Order: sequence, then structure tokens, then C-alpha cells
Amino acid sequence: DIQMTQSPSSLSASVGDRVTITCRASQSISSHLNWYQQKAGKAPKLLIYAASSLQSGVPSRFSGSGSGTDFTLTISSLQPEDFATYYCQHSYTTPITFGQGTRLEIK
Amino acid sequence: QVQLQESGPGLVKPSQTLSLTCTVSGGSISSGSFYWSWIRQPAGKGLEWIGRIYTSGSTNYNPSLKSRVTISLDTSKNQFSLKLSSVTAADTAVYYCARDLRYSYGDYYYYGMDVWGQGTTVTVSS
Repeated sequence: DIQMTQSPSSLSASVGDRVTITCRASQSISSHLNWYQQKAGKAPKLLIYAASSLQSGVPSRFSGSGSGTDFTLTISSLQPEDFATYYCQHSYTTPITFGQGTRLEIK
Repeated sequence: QVQLQESGPGLVKPSQTLSLTCTVSGGSISSGSFYWSWIRQPAGKGLEWIGRIYTSGSTNYNPSLKSRVTISLDTSKNQFSLKLSSVTAADTAVYYCARDLRYSYGDYYYYGMDVWGQGTTVTVSS
């Protein structure tokens, strides 16, 4: 199985901050990497697919980059509604696996 | 737009079979380049992919659960289903169904889970 490792596991930031979350795959996955946002009690929401493509309806302050084994999710200017848990997920092969999550909290 | 809704018992006894259904509305389950997936999340923990079924009926399962999982498609009802046998307390989780959409870029394509159900909590307890 391909292991996905996110860092940090948790992060405190303020409204307006620029935030970066990283995700590393245990082997190359090309650009088969997705990012999701999950709020408490809700289903995950797709933010970024294919490493850097913004899902329709997602604000442009979210961006993704990377290929191979190293990927990043950047939020350019945090908004109050962005405080949530973020997961990366590879779709390179099965089994599909997710990172352990990064909890983004208000400072 | 496409919406998904999970349904099934919220309580299952140990050693029995967990059965859930995902009803798809706003689109046909048998058309398009989609996988239909099941994912679960124990309370306070991360996401675990259980398996998926393609519109053709072909399936992929997580090896960690493969011996106990069956995912099937019912095109007449626009539903797909999950069966997980011999459950234990470790199978207690919120279970989500999701559509895994194919995004095409020339010769390349990628998949992303763009539509999710709201999730249903299943507790395994006697």
C-alpha cells in the first residue's frame, strides 16, 4: 500500500494568514493526489484534484502543487470558514489511502 | 445535481453482517466515468477507503477488508450497496458513500471523490 504522510498534524493560525500543509507519498504517484476539507460532523469536501486543479466552486485562495512524492496545499489568506481538518488522498492505484489529516485551528 | 444518501441499520451485533445502501439521485448510476465508493471513519480518526464499484460492475476492495466486503450495483433502483461480514467493534464508524469522478486531461485521467453522502453511523455492539 502507498502510505500518505501529512505534516503538520495540527496547526494554529489566524484569519488572514497564509498556511501550507504538506503531504508525502511513500512512492511516486505522479499527480494522482487530491485534497479534502472536512468540518466537524460533515462529509469531506473535494478541494483540489490531480494535485493542482481547483474543484468547481472552491475559492481561489486554495491551491495545490507538487508531483511525484511531495505535495502541498496552500490557503493564501485564511477565512473563518477554513478552520477544519484537511486530508490528502492518492488515487494512483488501489488501495486508495488518505493522509492522517491536518487539523487547522484558530490561534 | 447528483446527491447521495446512505441508509441502513445503525446497530449491528458482533459477528453479523453490516449492510448499507447508497441511493443516488439527480443522475444515473450506470452512465458516465464513475466509480462508486465506500469510505469509513471511526470516531475521532481518519478516513479509510473500503472499496469501489465501476459503472460496469467491476470492483476493487481494500486488501485489509477484502475477505469480508462485497460492493454491488442495483441499476434498477439507482443504488449501490456495501456488505461487511463478521463485524467486530473495530468496524464501528461513520460510513460514507461517494462518487469517484474521472477527470480527463488529454491522454491522462485522474479520479477525485466529488460528491459524498452525509454519512451514517454504524455501531457494532451486542
